[in-house]
Amino acid sequence: QKEVEQDPGPLSVPEGAIVSLNCTYSNSAFQYFMWYRQYSRKGPELLMYTYSSGNKEDGRFTAQVDKSSKYISLFIRDSQPSDSATYLCAMDRTSYGKLTFGQGTILTVHP
Amino acid sequence: EAQVTQNPRYLITVTGKKLTVTCSQNMNHEYMSWYRQDPGLGLRQIYYSMNVEVTDKGDVPEGYKVSRKEKRNFPLILESPSPNQTSLYFCASRGGTTSYNEQFFGPGTRLTVL
Repeated sequence: QKEVEQDPGPLSVPEGAIVSLNCTYSNSAFQYFMWYRQYSRKGPELLMYTYSSGNKEDGRFTAQVDKSSKYISLFIRDSQPSDSATYLCAMDRTSYGKLTFGQGTILTVHP
Repeated sequence: EAQVTQNPRYLITVTGKKLTVTCSQNMNHEYMSWYRQDPGLGLRQIYYSMNVEVTDKGDVPEGYKVSRKEKRNFPLILESPSPNQTSLYFCASRGGTTSYNEQFFGPGTRLTVL
């Protein structure tokens, strides 16, 4: 069983929809939780990170962590075609960068 | 401009021919890492480094070597490449212990081993 499981998708939604991306994990030692966005032929870029249970909001993006259920989510409000990309969750149990990634979810937002 | 650079961006080689992929960052970051990305598997960490001369294995270190002689550089060495090392490789750097908001990835190196 993988330590981090991510809904593989792909997801296809109309412009303006609310998107929910999800990951579960099995190792309770994970302390830091991140979401990355990766456009085609580019390196991943950090969208959000958090280290506590609860919600963290940044513009149209909300990251949610539930440590008791070992579950994290990323919500995208008012999705735009420019949000079309692969989204990766990642977790760190060490704080010095030993990251474990989910498999990634391909999102397409149609105009 | 803050950036992580990798060279080469594309490489086709043959089994057993030693190669090095370079990685350099201009942000004076302490932490650097190498990842490989394969379809359906996401990114998997190969090696990471917490500072000069301090490196440790990630999840898939077999067949790879790294060195960190200078803070800005973190080359990935494949001493005897094999076809199962065909992949997309990313180098990343980060400023400090919890400075995840300062993490940057390089543009990637697509390696094909025939």
